[in-house]
Amino acid sequence: EVQLVESGGGLVQPGGSLRLSCAASGFTFSNYWMHWVRQAPGKGLFWVSRISGDGGTTLYADSVKGRFTISRDNAKNTLYLQMNSLRAEDTALYYCARRSDSGGYFDNWGQGTLVTVSS
Amino acid sequence: EIVLTQSPGTLSLSPGERATLSCRASQSVSGRYLAWYQQKPGQAPRLLIYDASSRATGIPDRFSGSGSGTDFTLTISRLEPEDFAVYYCQHYTNTPWTFGQGTKVEIK
Repeated sequence: EVQLVESGGGLVQPGGSLRLSCAASGFTFSNYWMHWVRQAPGKGLFWVSRISGDGGTTLYADSVKGRFTISRDNAKNTLYLQMNSLRAEDTALYYCARRSDSGGYFDNWGQGTLVTVSS
Repeated sequence: EIVLTQSPGTLSLSPGERATLSCRASQSVSGRYLAWYQQKPGQAPRLLIYDASSRATGIPDRFSGSGSGTDFTLTISRLEPEDFAVYYCQHYTNTPWTFGQGTKVEIK
């Protein structure tokens, strides 16, 4: 069974940093491209970032480019999101999601970790 | 960037009724690269439909997707109590991937 478990969320002041993790199990992690998608409280879904299976290719939404860094450790089956220079508008539930091996849609999602940026 | 607009914002229906949800794209979604997700309160999104009309593993056949180009539809043939939720469309024809704002299907 595919499992994605996020952690690392919490309360952080504006301008601060946080590192999210997503522990994967139940599949060959290195074979899959992975994404981060966030959802602000009471709002819709917003794609944040993507990384290739070998970690060599990354992509970011314009609103987080230069502030967030996606990475992965395939030996540990773990996906990361380093978030720097956090803003109030980054407050959201952050999901990791697995890209299907047959298309660009997300076939498995974690339960999310909440990031709150507030003074 | 492709903007996806879902309508209606809220759909009030009774169990057993048919639900028709719309997703309109600001430009053509090539390859019919459109997915639908269901999200219940406090839960992560769940993939329902991919490639506009293919059901994901384990999804009941009362859920169906159709459409191409800029107009896509998710149909729930007969609503079950567990189908009352928020539904999102998402394209993956190019980057950035974007989602519609969601349609809430509520019990009338």
